[in-house]
Amino acid sequence: DGGITQSPKYLFRKEGQNVTLSCEQNLNHDAMYWYRQDPGQGLRLIYYSQIVNDFQKGDIAEGYSVSREKKESFPLTVTSAQKNPTAFYLCASDDRGIGNQPQHFGDGTRLSIL
Amino acid sequence: AQTVTQSQPEMSVQEAETVTLSCTYDTSESDYYLFWYKQPPSRQMILVIRQEAYKQQNATENRFSVNFQKAAKSFSLKISDSQLGDAAMYFCAYRSVMEYGNKLVFGAGTILRVKS
Repeated sequence: DGGITQSPKYLFRKEGQNVTLSCEQNLNHDAMYWYRQDPGQGLRLIYYSQIVNDFQKGDIAEGYSVSREKKESFPLTVTSAQKNPTAFYLCASDDRGIGNQPQHFGDGTRLSIL
Repeated sequence: AQTVTQSQPEMSVQEAETVTLSCTYDTSESDYYLFWYKQPPSRQMILVIRQEAYKQQNATENRFSVNFQKAAKSFSLKISDSQLGDAAMYFCAYRSVMEYGNKLVFGAGTILRVKS
């Protein structure tokens, strides 16, 4: 079945440590996205990528980094510069340029500080 | 930049009754897309319904329908014959046609509780 796989489901970060969240899709979608969700808030865009080897900052990119070396994969690194990383992180993908098509979401990763 | 506002943090509905969730948005564009997503306790994001701004007819999907008022920039979701499985957080989202990136702009969400 086609879909988006995020791993791990739960992740703990120590102070000063970088951690990487994985996102893999087999939907053959060009575009991929990372969102952050805090309690009681909507989703906020961290980074997005429309094609391989290209990505753009979203609304809250500070303290995060991404790469897009393969069409299927869009890993997110939460760096030590992100002072408040505790949140739920969602990865999504869609067909670039087809505006009425919905974004497909993974099941998310919950990141907590130790 | 576009913004999406959901003014109801929480709503309750009795099973089998109808409930309407509100959403307003701010944009200077004339063409765009609007979506409602549902996020149950499992945290999975599920598309409920979508609307193209150029279509005057309101979208419907089984028990879910929208009231799209373009001039008022309003996009409310009506759930008929509410079921226990409808209990979730509901997000309204806007997507620009012109802006690069197909990005979605989300509202803060409305928690819907369904009482049996």
